[in-house]
Amino acid sequence: RKEVEQDPGPFNVPEGATVAFNCTYSNSASQSFFWYRQDCRKEPKLLMSVYSSGNEDGRFTAQLNRASQYISLLIRDSKLSDSATYLCVVTGGYQKVTFGTGTKLQVIP
Amino acid sequence: DAGVIQSPRHEVTEMGQEVTLRCKPISGHNSLFWYRQTMMRGLELLIYFNNNVPIDDSGMPEDRFSAKMPNASFSTLKIQPSEPRDSAVYFCASSLHDYNEQFFGPGTRLTVL
Repeated sequence: RKEVEQDPGPFNVPEGATVAFNCTYSNSASQSFFWYRQDCRKEPKLLMSVYSSGNEDGRFTAQLNRASQYISLLIRDSKLSDSATYLCVVTGGYQKVTFGTGTKLQVIP
Repeated sequence: DAGVIQSPRHEVTEMGQEVTLRCKPISGHNSLFWYRQTMMRGLELLIYFNNNVPIDDSGMPEDRFSAKMPNASFSTLKIQPSEPRDSAVYFCASSLHDYNEQFFGPGTRLTVL
C-alpha cells in the first residue's frame, strides 16, 4: 500500500459546483497534514494546513479523520481559477514528508 | 523576502555530464528539502537537511546523486554522471522546521539528452 494515496482524477466540474477530494495515508503515527496546490509548470504552494478539529478558509474546508486515516478537501462554489492539481502532504512519525501524487481539478465554464 | 531561489531554471545537458543544481533557502529556515517531479512518479522527496545536517537521504536514487549543505544559506544537488532518466523538474523547498509548511522554489527543469 502506498504511504499516501489520492485519486488522480481529473475531476471535471462546472463553475459553482462543490467538489471534494480525499487522501488516505498508511502511517498511523503521522503528525502533520497539509493541502498544496500546484498549477501547470509551477511549484507547489501551500493551500492550507489540516487540523484535527477541521478548518475552513473561505470556500475551502479541510478535515482530518484519524480513525480512518484520511484527510479531505472541500471546495465550494468552484471558480475557473481553482483549476489545478491538489496535493496532500503527510508528515510521518519520524518527520518524513510524503506527498500524494495529486488530484487534478478542471473547472469548466 | 525573495523566497527560495534555485538556479539554473533550465538545464540541458548530454548523458554522462555532471549537473549541479543550486538552492538558497529562505533566511531563518532550518530545514531544506530536495524533490524530483516527473509525470510518472509525481513528487518524490530525495533528501532533506535540518540545520545543515542530512537527516533522510533514503530517496536519493543511487550513488550518482549527492547533496550538500555547507551553510544555512546554500545547498547543492549534484548528478554525476547524468542519464536521460534523470530528466525531471527538481524542486528545492525550505521550512522553519521539518514539520512546518514548506515553501518551494521555482524548480530546475533538467533535460538529459
